[in-house]
Amino acid sequence: AQKITQTQPGMFVQEKEAVTLDCTYDTSDQSYGLFWYKQPSSGEMIFLIYQGSYDEQNATEGRYSLNFQKARKSANLVISASQLGDSAMYFCAMRDMTTDSWGKFQFGAGTQVVVTP
Amino acid sequence: DSGVTQTPKHLITATGQRVTLRCSPRSGDLSVYWYQQSLDQGLQFLIQYYNGEERAKGNILERFSAQQFPDLHSELNLSSLELGDSALYFCASSVRRAETYEQYFGPGTRLTVT
Repeated sequence: AQKITQTQPGMFVQEKEAVTLDCTYDTSDQSYGLFWYKQPSSGEMIFLIYQGSYDEQNATEGRYSLNFQKARKSANLVISASQLGDSAMYFCAMRDMTTDSWGKFQFGAGTQVVVTP
Repeated sequence: DSGVTQTPKHLITATGQRVTLRCSPRSGDLSVYWYQQSLDQGLQFLIQYYNGEERAKGNILERFSAQQFPDLHSELNLSSLELGDSALYFCASSVRRAETYEQYFGPGTRLTVT
């Protein structure tokens, strides 16, 4: 069975600083995808970044980068140059890519980030 | 705006009742997913449909059912509602593009069972 662990329930970060959100996962699958989503207080879920298990390069999307360490089974999200609008709950998620169960996503408990001026 | 629409936005109903939540995926997306987000359970995957067929099932109760119609919109039916069913219900859609399969979420339906 898959499992996603986000050990940081909440974090404060100062504007313009970088912040790293931890995510570890457990799976016996060889092919899987890792995702990060942002949920502002308004409630919508916003896709941020994706990393495939066979991708050799760490994924980057603007100010977001994913620090993927396959051997350690970690997929930490780094937000650079934090902005006040980055204040939100952040979820790490995983899905396996095997044909018969590629629909199943599993989400971590989330990390609440508060960006302060 | 993700392009995924969900109606209604808010729903208040009593225990024992039945409700239907509706979702329209982004144009061109064949997959629809349903999630339940509650304070104690977090974000739980319920069920996935792909082009009208059920593809994956998660922690969906037997009192809950879903379907995807030929026009690709989906409905989640919740029956014999209990207080614990109060939650935010998300629909998401995705298209098989390369290997990413990222999902785009709708705004959610907040269900309150009294």
